[in-house]
Amino acid sequence: GAGVSQSPSNKVTEKGKDVELRCDPISGHTALYWYRQSLGQGLEFLIYFQGNSAPDKSGLPSDRFSAERTGGSVSTLTIQRTQQEDSAVYLCASSLSMGRAETQYFGPGTRLLVL
Amino acid sequence: AQTVTQSQPEMSVQEAETVTLSCTYDTSESDYYLFWYKQPPSRQMILVIRQEAYKQQNATENRFSVNFQKAAKSFSLKISDSQLGDAAMYFCAYRSRNMDSNYQLIWGAGTKLIIKP
Repeated sequence: GAGVSQSPSNKVTEKGKDVELRCDPISGHTALYWYRQSLGQGLEFLIYFQGNSAPDKSGLPSDRFSAERTGGSVSTLTIQRTQQEDSAVYLCASSLSMGRAETQYFGPGTRLLVL
Repeated sequence: AQTVTQSQPEMSVQEAETVTLSCTYDTSESDYYLFWYKQPPSRQMILVIRQEAYKQQNATENRFSVNFQKAAKSFSLKISDSQLGDAAMYFCAYRSRNMDSNYQLIWGAGTKLIIKP
């Protein structure tokens, strides 16, 4: 079956502009995660959605970052007034449930470059 | 707070040989999961192997096996008969099994594995 997909694959934007990154999780997966991966670094948790529960936004670095998940499926991560330090690969993952043993399936990421 | 450390930024191995990637972690918990993920140039993170801390037996998946030393808080990954397709970044990750604890995956900084033909 189809895996996690993300779009766009790459995004170049100018400082101060807003960007939207999209994630399509695996069908039937109730949990969805967003991570940020800066060059040479591990993954930094941003936000987590589980079913219809309120999302865990504890990892969002500033109020310029927001995310939503419509209908329990597709998710959009929005970065407002982008800064150069926002340049990174943004990865989305989904899992069947929120169980801690559950495998997270990752998308290919969106590479964001802020000029 | 838990931390995960991968002390080898880069490792190289000759094709068909064996390589071991190191991972140490710090936690005060007794029950948790440990993971190794592989990230090839395509950027898609793929689960390689998972270890449950309450299990004594080291996890194995084909050519991939771990050496889990709970007391030493060490979780190394051994890749046998290395293949060109194994070239990737490898990340070690920790997740608490305690339902009252943070459920997030805690990640190491990664090790770049180079396979020499």
